[in-house]
Amino acid sequence: RKEVEQDPGPFNVPEGATVAFNCTYSNSASQSFFWYRQDCRKEPKLLMSVYSSGNEDGRFTAQLNRASQYISLLIRDSKLSDSATYLCAVNELEAAGNKLTFGGGTRVLVKP
Amino acid sequence: EPEVTQTPSHQVTQMGQEVILRCVPISNHLYFYWYRQILGQKVEFLVSFYNNEISEKSEIFDDQFSVERPDGSNFTLKIRSTKLEDSAMYFCASSAPGQGEETQYFGPGTRLLVL
Repeated sequence: RKEVEQDPGPFNVPEGATVAFNCTYSNSASQSFFWYRQDCRKEPKLLMSVYSSGNEDGRFTAQLNRASQYISLLIRDSKLSDSATYLCAVNELEAAGNKLTFGGGTRVLVKP
Repeated sequence: EPEVTQTPSHQVTQMGQEVILRCVPISNHLYFYWYRQILGQKVEFLVSFYNNEISEKSEIFDDQFSVERPDGSNFTLKIRSTKLEDSAMYFCASSAPGQGEETQYFGPGTRLLVL
């Protein structure tokens, strides 16, 4: 069974601190990886795609480890507005229809 | 910034009734998707649609479900005879052709409650 797994948290983070969490995937054929942010009862919003070389967007850094089959997200200098659930999503090339398989999300609570 | 839109935002229906959920994908996108999220659970893939036909569907997408692109802008999901377990948030998504086509952008969702 192909799975995408995340630590559900919550990660309680002091404002200004750094937090990092991972997402593991079981299908080695997975080709594309994404981090989405989801606020309560809202749609997933694309945070960033995850590239093989790793990538950074402001305070957010994503890494891909193909050998160990996980992706990671690091948030530096956490803001109160970073409080959300972070979903990882994986696209398997063998799936003809570009299907995304989502993890269950990691909840992050940034506190003053 | 272009975005995916969905209507209605909320729908309450009686078990056994038909519902149609509507989506307007981003205008230059050619790949369209429906996902659902039962409260407290993962976002689950239902179906993908390209070139006026279904590309892939999940085991959830049984004969009670259908999708249609009735005109150049709308993309609909129909549930023929709703069940209690169909209560969920339904998200439409779309993606563009070419490089990065796998990057999917989600609409705000329709919250469906089946009584």
